[in-house]
Amino acid sequence: DAGITQSPRHKVTETGTPVTLRCHQTENHRYMYWYRQDPGHGLRLIHYSYGVKDTDKGEVSDGYSVSRSKTEDFLLTLESATSSQTSVYFCAIRMTGAGGYTFGSGTRLTVV
Amino acid sequence: TQLLEQSPQFLSIQEGENLTVYCNSSSVFSSLQWYRQEPGEGPVLLVTVVTGGEVKKLKRLTFQFGDARKDSSLHITAAQPGDTGLYLCAGRNRDDKIIFGKGTRLHILP
Repeated sequence: DAGITQSPRHKVTETGTPVTLRCHQTENHRYMYWYRQDPGHGLRLIHYSYGVKDTDKGEVSDGYSVSRSKTEDFLLTLESATSSQTSVYFCAIRMTGAGGYTFGSGTRLTVV
Repeated sequence: TQLLEQSPQFLSIQEGENLTVYCNSSSVFSSLQWYRQEPGEGPVLLVTVVTGGEVKKLKRLTFQFGDARKDSSLHITAAQPGDTGLYLCAGRNRDDKIIFGKGTRLHILP
């Protein structure tokens, strides 16, 4: 198992507040990803990282920022949470070769 | 925009029946993955196919990558209640990005 942990698992926050979600991996994988999953939209890429301090935007990056100061940690920040950011957020790491991703268990975020 | 279309969106069948779900695109992918996701959990990788025409088997599940590497299918033989879940296909494109389909929600009735 790749050892990927997301925290918190559940969070309720108020509109306008900043929120940070954490993804921690234990196996030194270079590539890490943040997705959101919503009914009718499937999994959509928010941001990804290809190394320490190397990040790039995905298809739904507006309102989100990321940081990766250590290989093992990839943080997703909602700068000012909105109700449209209510979702389930998944972190993933890319396996070597032609393999796919290993996902964390997700964070269910509700913005009220 | 590259899309992966999965069909059907929903499928509910009796235990013991066979079923096939499809993943189609107009784009070529260098590899394609299938995942299964259960409620409250992240998707779990089932298989990766790389070569056009490739067939892989995982117990009662058979995965096929289309000859042109634009489509794939997942066939389940003698479905069991434990097969219930959301099945996602995902393709790696020439920019090395992974594109996900919206999934097929499968429910196996005991």
